[in-house]
Amino acid sequence: GESVGLHLPTLSVQEGDNSIINCAYSNSASDYFIWYKQESGKGPQFIIDIRSNMDKRQGQRVTVLLNKTVKHLSLQIAATQPGDSAVYFCAENIADSWGKLQFGAGTQVVVTP
Amino acid sequence: DAGITQSPRYKITETGRQVTLMCHQTWSHSYMFWYRQDLGHGLRLIYYSAAADITDKGEVPDGYVVSRSKTENFPLTLESATRSQTSVYFCASSDGSGSSLKSDTQYFGPGTRLTVL
Repeated sequence: GESVGLHLPTLSVQEGDNSIINCAYSNSASDYFIWYKQESGKGPQFIIDIRSNMDKRQGQRVTVLLNKTVKHLSLQIAATQPGDSAVYFCAENIADSWGKLQFGAGTQVVVTP
Repeated sequence: DAGITQSPRYKITETGRQVTLMCHQTWSHSYMFWYRQDLGHGLRLIYYSAAADITDKGEVPDGYVVSRSKTENFPLTLESATRSQTSVYFCASSDGSGSSLKSDTQYFGPGTRLTVL
């Protein structure tokens, strides 16, 4: 089975609220994690990344948290906007895996007015 | 800065025909990847390449052939298309040098929607 997965397949969020998207991974050798956003009809777009030697990383309106103890990754989106409606994927890079990423199934985020 | 491009964006073909999907990147990235995306399966790796003339199979390579004679191009060929190969195909590239936090980040093209009748 997949080593990267998502807890919720669909997340409905009211505009202006904060969103939290969760991801579980099972490979303790993973050393790098990425969140991607995919809008309908487009390719996945890089949002933010984090190395395994970090617990938290912030970008513009987004924060990624990494809990290595429970192998959990989350993406927080502040003040969710209609343009944030998309499918969000987490991906992990396993150390020495020759640049390959392992992707989760994705979470659909729907922003309601 | 064109980044990573794919062509064609849409393709309809018939069973048994050969189809080639093109991928071109302008970043001189070492690594390039081909994925297919189907409902219920997410992104699945077909083939990847660490450098020109170096390619290897991914998770679902059967029915596909790749080549990489130049760093910037990574064409994917379906030698005899089947209906099960109807999908959206994404090409991606990454630096892979390990020189920065983002060197393993893969950047994706816009995709090619392929329909096999």
